[in-house]
Amino acid sequence: AQSVTQLDSHVSVSEGTPVLLRCNYSSSYSPSLFWYVQHPNKGLQLLLKYTSAATLVKGINGFEAEFKKSETSFHLTKPSAHMSDAAEYFCVVRMDSSYKLIFGSGTRLLVRP
Amino acid sequence: NAGVTQTPKFQVLKTGQSMTLQCAQDMNHNSMYWYRQDPGMGLRLIYYSASEGTTDKGEVPNGYNVSRLNKREFSLRLESAAPSQTSVYFCASSESNQPQHFGDGTRLSIL
Repeated sequence: AQSVTQLDSHVSVSEGTPVLLRCNYSSSYSPSLFWYVQHPNKGLQLLLKYTSAATLVKGINGFEAEFKKSETSFHLTKPSAHMSDAAEYFCVVRMDSSYKLIFGSGTRLLVRP
Repeated sequence: NAGVTQTPKFQVLKTGQSMTLQCAQDMNHNSMYWYRQDPGMGLRLIYYSASEGTTDKGEVPNGYNVSRLNKREFSLRLESAAPSQTSVYFCASSESNQPQHFGDGTRLSIL
């Protein structure tokens, strides 16, 4: 069975310091992987996607993620956190040629001034 | 450039009442989806529609019905609301295997 695990329910960083949000997946197939961000009272916005091209994927707002097949991981990083990055982040996996998305339980990022 | 529009944004119902949540997209996408979001559980798929005229059950369809009215619109109906259906409901749309685009959600409370 396919699944997604976000290893931290909450991450707290100081403004200007690096961000690391961790995601592991299990899949028998070659997955497509996504990170979405959700700001309060808003829908989910796509940050970046991996679809079997380059393993290092750059997204919007300075975020990037690296697909590591050997570790079945797709961690999200940003070199320097900004106050506006405070939100909930979801790691999502989609099986090839499938509509079905599997969502992680989310990581809430807090950014301290 | 509206994207996916959901109405209403907030609603409070009494147990047993019925309600239809509306969703419309202006991106000419074939596929549309309804999810519910509960604390600590990510999003779970209720129903989806791969194209106009077709609908299929997702992970948690019980207590819900859907209608794909046309290519733009996909509604979700609760025939007899229950407290367990208190949640935030999201509609999404996509083209083929492209990423899904989400609306801002409907916050539904059932007393």
